[in-house]
Amino acid sequence: GENVEQHPSTLSVQEGDSAVIKCTYSDSASNYFPWYKQELGKRPQLIIDIRSNVGEKKDQRIAVTLNKTAKHFSLHITETQPEDSAVYFCAALTESGSRLTFGEGTQLTVNP
Amino acid sequence: GAGVSQSPSNKVTEKGKDVELRCDPISGHTALYWYRQSLGQGLEFLIYFQGNSAPDKSGLPSDRFSAERTGGSVSTLTIQRTQQEDSAVYLCASSFTGGPYEQYFGPGTRLTVT
Repeated sequence: GENVEQHPSTLSVQEGDSAVIKCTYSDSASNYFPWYKQELGKRPQLIIDIRSNVGEKKDQRIAVTLNKTAKHFSLHITETQPEDSAVYFCAALTESGSRLTFGEGTQLTVNP
Repeated sequence: GAGVSQSPSNKVTEKGKDVELRCDPISGHTALYWYRQSLGQGLEFLIYFQGNSAPDKSGLPSDRFSAERTGGSVSTLTIQRTQQEDSAVYLCASSFTGGPYEQYFGPGTRLTVT
């Protein structure tokens, strides 16, 4: 089955700096890669996603890149703000579409 | 419109008792998922329902866990003879259909087994 690894587990940056979180996956048939943000005590919420036919996607300060050959994808947050502090999860969906496999999460802390 | 709702929000039960957790998906969403999130951990897939198809139960950790979805809408996750290791937040999500579409999560049920 699919295995998703996420790094780093914790990340601390200064406000205004960029943050990068990386994930690798094992199933070459995976074709959809969402990123979720989970604030403390809240439900996960989708912040950006990318499909396998695209190499990069950007939405304001957030971007995701996908390298299908290397089977890895990354989340990039620019001009970080304190409200970006949360746990971020990457995930991969297999071609069968029946399940998302999540990474273990990255605790991002943005220091003012 | 209304999002995914779950009940109860918190449940404390004694070891060995059975519990039922409920999920109301977004109206019109045909796909429904259950996940488990242990403290400080990622989300572990449990089960997936898509329309009238047979559910994908491959993530259920033991035969003490079962789930059903009645009328293609509300779902109930049942844990029999609860154990302390079942303590976690159980999250339900729904999406328009199965596949590469956004999954909308409910607030979760925090289960504590004493």
